[in-house]
Amino acid sequence: AQKVTQAQTEISVVEKEDVTLDCVYETRDTTYYLFWYKQPPSGELVFLIRRNSFDEQNEISGRYSWNFQKSTSSFNFTITASQVVDSAVYFCALSETSGSRLTFGEGTQLTVNP
Amino acid sequence: KAGVTQTPRYLIKTRGQQVTLSCSPISGHRSVSWYQQTPGQGLQFLFEYFSETQRNKGNFPGRFSGRQFSNSRSEMNVSTLELGDSALYLCASSWGTSTDAETQYFGPGTRLLVL
Repeated sequence: AQKVTQAQTEISVVEKEDVTLDCVYETRDTTYYLFWYKQPPSGELVFLIRRNSFDEQNEISGRYSWNFQKSTSSFNFTITASQVVDSAVYFCALSETSGSRLTFGEGTQLTVNP
Repeated sequence: KAGVTQTPRYLIKTRGQQVTLSCSPISGHRSVSWYQQTPGQGLQFLFEYFSETQRNKGNFPGRFSGRQFSNSRSEMNVSTLELGDSALYLCASSWGTSTDAETQYFGPGTRLLVL
């Protein structure tokens, strides 16, 4: 069975601080995909990144970066120089090779204070 | 390109009633998945439809059902509503044709309150 754990329920930071959101996953599949989504108060899940299990390169997109470590089954997300608009719930998710079923973590509520 | 749309956005029903939610995927996407989000259980997969056929199903009772039309639009139905069905119901679409896990794009959701 697949499982995603986001141990940090809530994080509060002051604007311009860097913040890392942790994600640990469990799967018996050798090929799998990991995702991060952002959910602002409006409710819609906004796609941020998709990564397959064979690509362990870290990725940077603007202020966002992701660290994928297969050895520790982790896929952490860092926001550099956080902004108030980054305030949202962030979800990490896992999917098998085929099929569209996403297994989500519990989510981390990030609050960035001015 | 228009995103995933869901109607209605808000709904209030009473126990025992039934409800139908609608989802229109991104143009060209043929796979539509439904998820339920509650404070207690988080985000849970309900089912996926592709080419008018249910391709994948989560662990929900038979009161939850869905269908997909030839234009890929999908509806989800919940019969005999229970208080615990109060949730945000999210629809997501993807191309549906790859053997790899595709990125799913989500709609704004339908907030259902059961009284």
